[in-house]
Amino acid sequence: AQRVTQPEKLLSVFKGAPVELKCNYSYSGSPELFWYVQYSRQRLQLLLRHISRESIKGFTADLNKGETSFHLKKPFAQEEDSAMYYCALKIRSGGSQGNLIFGKGTKLSVKP
Amino acid sequence: DAGVIQSPRHEVTEMGQEVTLRCKPISGHNSLFWYRQTMMRGLELLIYFNNNVPIDDSGMPEDRFSAKMPNASFSTLKIQPSEPRDSAVYFCASSGHRTDTQYFGPGTRLTVL
Repeated sequence: AQRVTQPEKLLSVFKGAPVELKCNYSYSGSPELFWYVQYSRQRLQLLLRHISRESIKGFTADLNKGETSFHLKKPFAQEEDSAMYYCALKIRSGGSQGNLIFGKGTKLSVKP
Repeated sequence: DAGVIQSPRHEVTEMGQEVTLRCKPISGHNSLFWYRQTMMRGLELLIYFNNNVPIDDSGMPEDRFSAKMPNASFSTLKIQPSEPRDSAVYFCASSGHRTDTQYFGPGTRLTVL
């Protein structure tokens, strides 16, 4: 069965510390993974996707098929990174573009 | 572009009443998704449409929930009758042909008393 697991509900770090938000997935097909972020009082929005292999706002995420993981990392956390982070797995069905399965989210709190 | 538009932003109703949530996707997008967000269960997909046709409604909790997409620019999610356990934030999202990025609306916070 397809599933996305984010083991930490809350992650609290100090400003300048490294941060890693964990995400593991279960999927029999070829995985496409995403990180979405929801800042306070803002809409849920795409942060990055594994296909792009890009760094957004200092965040990176590498797909590790062997460990079925897609952890989100940033070497030096900033206070403005405080938000809710969701890992998502794309599920394709039929001829449609498919839909996303989201993890339950991790709330990142960066303290000054 | 105003992005995905949802109305109302907040809804407070009493148990047993009918509730209708509305969504206007981004113009030109051909896929529309309804999600429910709760503290306990996180973000759950309820149903999604592709070219106005429901593709997967396996996430719809029960027969009290129904969703329609009569045209490419409008969708509704209806709960009848509503129950206190339906209290949640309901999000609508859309995506287009050339991108699988989902663009989310601001959500509707539903409280059923």
